[in-house]
Amino acid sequence: KQEVTQIPAALSVPEGENLVLNCSFTDSAIYNLQWFRQDPGKGLTSLLLIQSSQREQTSGRLNASLDKSSGRSTLYIAASQPGDSATYLCAQYSGAGSYQLTFGKGTKLSVIP
Amino acid sequence: DTGVSQDPRHKITKRGQNVTFRCDPISEHNRLYWYRQTLGQGPEFLTYFQNEAQLEKSRLLSDRFSAERPKGSFSTLEIQRTEQGDSAMYLCASWRIGIDTIYFGEGSWLTVV
Repeated sequence: KQEVTQIPAALSVPEGENLVLNCSFTDSAIYNLQWFRQDPGKGLTSLLLIQSSQREQTSGRLNASLDKSSGRSTLYIAASQPGDSATYLCAQYSGAGSYQLTFGKGTKLSVIP
Repeated sequence: DTGVSQDPRHKITKRGQNVTFRCDPISEHNRLYWYRQTLGQGPEFLTYFQNEAQLEKSRLLSDRFSAERPKGSFSTLEIQRTEQGDSAMYLCASWRIGIDTIYFGEGSWLTVV
């Protein structure tokens, strides 16, 4: 059974700080991994998708890395802004045809002005 | 707006009543997924369709739950004889095979009182 763990559960940082969110997974035969953002009461917005053959992906101030050997992924946010405040979820794709996602519980980020 | 529409956005119902949620995916997306998310947890996979065929159901989907996707377009998720434990946000997502990013709707909140 795939399991995804995110640490910490909550994080509070001052505006402008760089930060790292952590995600670990148990299935070493990982297919793809994706990071999402969720605002309170809202759906999920895709941030970055890392395919199993890749080591990292970048979009603007966001950089996500994937280390299959250690079962870890990190999401790096540079120069954080109050608008980055949200819950960040990482999810692992199953490769068995359904491509269903197994999610972590998320990290709730608060960026203090 | 991701292009995936869900209706209603909020539903309050009395225990024992039936409820139905609708999802309109992005047109041309042949895959449609339903997930359930409770407070403080990540979304959990319920079921998915490829075109009109329901190909997999999670063990979380009890006999009181039924999902359909007639004609391979919109989908409905019905919950019969609702219980308080059904209170959650029900998320729909669509994806076209060959395109990597999955798109989630805003979710339908269910409160069973």
